[in-house]
Amino acid sequence: EVQLVESGGGLVQPGRSLRLSCTTSGITFGDQTMSWLRQAPGKGLEWVGFIRSESSGGTTEYAASVKDRFSISRDDSNNIAYLLMNSLTSEDTAVYYCTRANYRFGTLTGYYFDAFDIWGQGTTVTVSS
Amino acid sequence: SYEVTQPLSVSVALGQTASITCGGNNIVSKNVQWYQQKPGQAPVLVIYRDTNRPSGIPERFSGSNSGNTATLTISRAQAGDEADYYCQVWDSSTYIFGAGTKVTVL
Repeated sequence: EVQLVESGGGLVQPGRSLRLSCTTSGITFGDQTMSWLRQAPGKGLEWVGFIRSESSGGTTEYAASVKDRFSISRDDSNNIAYLLMNSLTSEDTAVYYCTRANYRFGTLTGYYFDAFDIWGQGTTVTVSS
Repeated sequence: SYEVTQPLSVSVALGQTASITCGGNNIVSKNVQWYQQKPGQAPVLVIYRDTNRPSGIPERFSGSNSGNTATLTISRAQAGDEADYYCQVWDSSTYIFGAGTKVTVL
């Protein structure tokens, strides 16, 4: 059975940092591009970023709203993806989902993926003093 | 930047057909995905690349894409189909989601 399990959420003060983890099982983690999305309370879905597999360069892409503050990394030995969030503000309060990005296509700037086909249950991050 | 537009809500009678639209400029040139999200749960991919159903998604769910409108169709609607539905596309190195459509089964 495929499982993505997020952890590390909680209450954090504005300006502080937080690292989320996504532990996976049932997939060949090293071959996957892993993505993070979020959903603010009562709002819609927002893509945060993703990290390509090491065989595709292990490179990252981010939404403009989090670029320069958030960083995604991966530990292929332990099948874990991470989301490091710095300089948090109340605007970052959301449920954060770990997902697999699938259905690859090529562009002039590299490979992207059409869909997010496997989701974790989410972890809640609340930024408040 | 590219935008997609969804109706806020759609109602459908039990056993009838619901159509949820996702509007965008020349959206036919993009691959459209659809996600179902029930209250308190993570989203589930129900349609990818306009018309394709992932394994485990009932045939009652179908998608189409033409001109400026992509459509998710739910045939023979069931009470369990009540959920928020989001369309999603990729554009200019980012992913864009619609605001979501709440489907109510009457």
